[in-house]
Amino acid sequence: GQQLNQSPQSMFIQEGEDVSMNCTSSSIFNTWLWYKQDPGEGPVLLIALYKAGELTSNGRLTAQFGITRKDSFLNISASIPSDVGIYFCAGQISSGTYKYIFGTGTRLKVLA
Amino acid sequence: GAVVSQHPSWVICKSGTSVKIECRSLDFQATTMFWYRQFPKQSLMLMATSNEGSKATYEQGVEKDKFLINHASLTLSTLTVTSAHPEDSSFYICSARRVLGYTFGSGTRLTVV
Repeated sequence: GQQLNQSPQSMFIQEGEDVSMNCTSSSIFNTWLWYKQDPGEGPVLLIALYKAGELTSNGRLTAQFGITRKDSFLNISASIPSDVGIYFCAGQISSGTYKYIFGTGTRLKVLA
Repeated sequence: GAVVSQHPSWVICKSGTSVKIECRSLDFQATTMFWYRQFPKQSLMLMATSNEGSKATYEQGVEKDKFLINHASLTLSTLTVTSAHPEDSSFYICSARRVLGYTFGSGTRLTVV
């Protein structure tokens, strides 16, 4: 099936550092969602983006919907140990189907 | 907030048997639910879209006779893995469509031995 290209695949960072990850696609998406998944759990929604150029924050998290509608990024500021997990972007294929496809994931590890 | 309950959280079954996984929206009605499959260290792959009162729509490559989906009410969708084999072992996750984004269940880890 289809997937979005997400980078980096994994990263180790020191506590307190800022983190940036992004998703790109050759297709245009109507909506971008960012999720976090802990081991053995389902994904939890972090941020939803609905318009090209939209910049939205949720606490220490900031995400933007790219102008071209083919990409999105997620920033985490001042990372803490509980930020550890896998982050997925998801793009809505078209407004009619409500289907989303997921990025390949970014595995984040925070060193205290 | 909106909660999606998925049950069981894990199951071990013998090869050749069938396993049913339930996905319930607890405080909202979900006309559309989605079923995903996730292999270790991989992303979520959409298997099918479950629509209340109608047949599910399966993604290319997903066997509809193997993965039976029933969405008989606005709060319940079920996925039955029929005649399970070891290669069906995976993490299965459902999600329900809400006004703002989608809510996921906690997942079911299926191990077929």
